[in-house]
Amino acid sequence: EPEVTQTPSHQVTQMGQEVILRCVPISNHLYFYWYRQILGQKVEFLVSFYNNEISEKSEIFDDQFSVERPDGSNFTLKIRSTKLEDSAMYFCASSGSGLSTDTQYFGPGTRLTVL
Amino acid sequence: DAKTTQPNSMESNEEEPVHLPCNHSTISGTDYIHWYRQLPSQGPEYVIHGLTSNVNNRMASLAIAEDRKSSTLILHRATLRDAAVYYCILRDRFYNTDKLIFGTGTRLQVFP
Repeated sequence: EPEVTQTPSHQVTQMGQEVILRCVPISNHLYFYWYRQILGQKVEFLVSFYNNEISEKSEIFDDQFSVERPDGSNFTLKIRSTKLEDSAMYFCASSGSGLSTDTQYFGPGTRLTVL
Repeated sequence: DAKTTQPNSMESNEEEPVHLPCNHSTISGTDYIHWYRQLPSQGPEYVIHGLTSNVNNRMASLAIAEDRKSSTLILHRATLRDAAVYYCILRDRFYNTDKLIFGTGTRLQVFP
């Protein structure tokens, strides 16, 4: 069964450093998402992306965050200058149509630890 | 998205049926009811969704009340692998916002 993959599984960084989290969505999907989950808290939506544009973003997704689809297979989340509060699990997801009836398929996540 | 209410936690024994309730008293006529679950240390995964009629798939069944103000996710025979947090999420079929809005869900414990 096709699946969403994410690398690395765990990223440790110093506060103020830039990090790039990588995702390979399911190959024929067109809609891509990033969510995050701070330890012990809810899964929170960050951003959705379609046709090389952000289609929706949350208040969390400020100027420190950016997303990119640099080629036909990867989808990345960049945090320009990490803060302690950015420590969380980051999940990438993809869906085929973006419709509200469509399933979103999630990757296993990247655990980001900011020291 | 309309609000859903779920119990914080539930327990079951292995191979017994589990009924996970969700209240959504302010549901609109165009809201689909989706269920996702999150196994320990994993990303969320889709379980099932429905609009008005009860639905079955290989993972679970979804029973939707006639007035649609509540629904129940049914795991017919719980296994240890079903221990997870289960989320009930409403999604408007006509407002195609992509995002899923997760609540706190129900943490299901399954005992051998």
